[in-house]
Amino acid sequence: AQSVTQPDIHITVSEGASLELRCNYSYGATPYLFWYVQSPGQGLQLLLKYFSGDTLVQGIKGFEAEFKRSQSSFNLRKPSVHWSDAAEYFCAVDTNTDKLIFGTGTRLQVFP
Amino acid sequence: ETGVTQSPTHLIKTRGQQVTLRCSSQSGHNTVSWYQQALGQGPQFIFQYYREEENGRGNFPPRFSGLQFPNYSSELNVNALELDDSALYLCASSPAVLSTQETQYFGPGTRLLVL
Repeated sequence: AQSVTQPDIHITVSEGASLELRCNYSYGATPYLFWYVQSPGQGLQLLLKYFSGDTLVQGIKGFEAEFKRSQSSFNLRKPSVHWSDAAEYFCAVDTNTDKLIFGTGTRLQVFP
Repeated sequence: ETGVTQSPTHLIKTRGQQVTLRCSSQSGHNTVSWYQQALGQGPQFIFQYYREEENGRGNFPPRFSGLQFPNYSSELNVNALELDDSALYLCASSPAVLSTQETQYFGPGTRLLVL
């Protein structure tokens, strides 16, 4: 069965530091890949998505993600974190079944 | 701002009751999906509607049902509520069926508490 793994439940970084959130998926082919962010009490906001083509994808708020087929990974990165980036981050895949499969999320805490 | 709205924002019910949650999609979005997000978990797919017909269902029992209307609004109905139904319910709309590489836009959710 298809699945998404986000190995880090909770990450803490200092403001201005770089960030990498990990995401691995299990699927026989290349799925469509997404990163969403959820602030407390809010719905999900799309940060970026990968369907095909260039494996380095740029998103909103200065985020980027790189698809690595050999590692079945789609890690999210940001070179310099801002306090407002504190939130829950979800990686999701669509295996052409018209539904999104989400990971369990990574909670990002940012210290000043 | 995704243009997707949900009502109510919060709801408290007791076990065995029935509940209806509502979602209003962006104009022109023919697809709506519903997700359940339990505390500390990622959202789980409940079902999807495309042009008022169910178009895929996740691992949820039949007491979870839905409707989609021509005016881009939709409903999620849950009968015989159980304590484990307590969760944030999210709806998401997109212009077409996902396999055509459209993005889903999420509403803010309805938080349901079952006592």
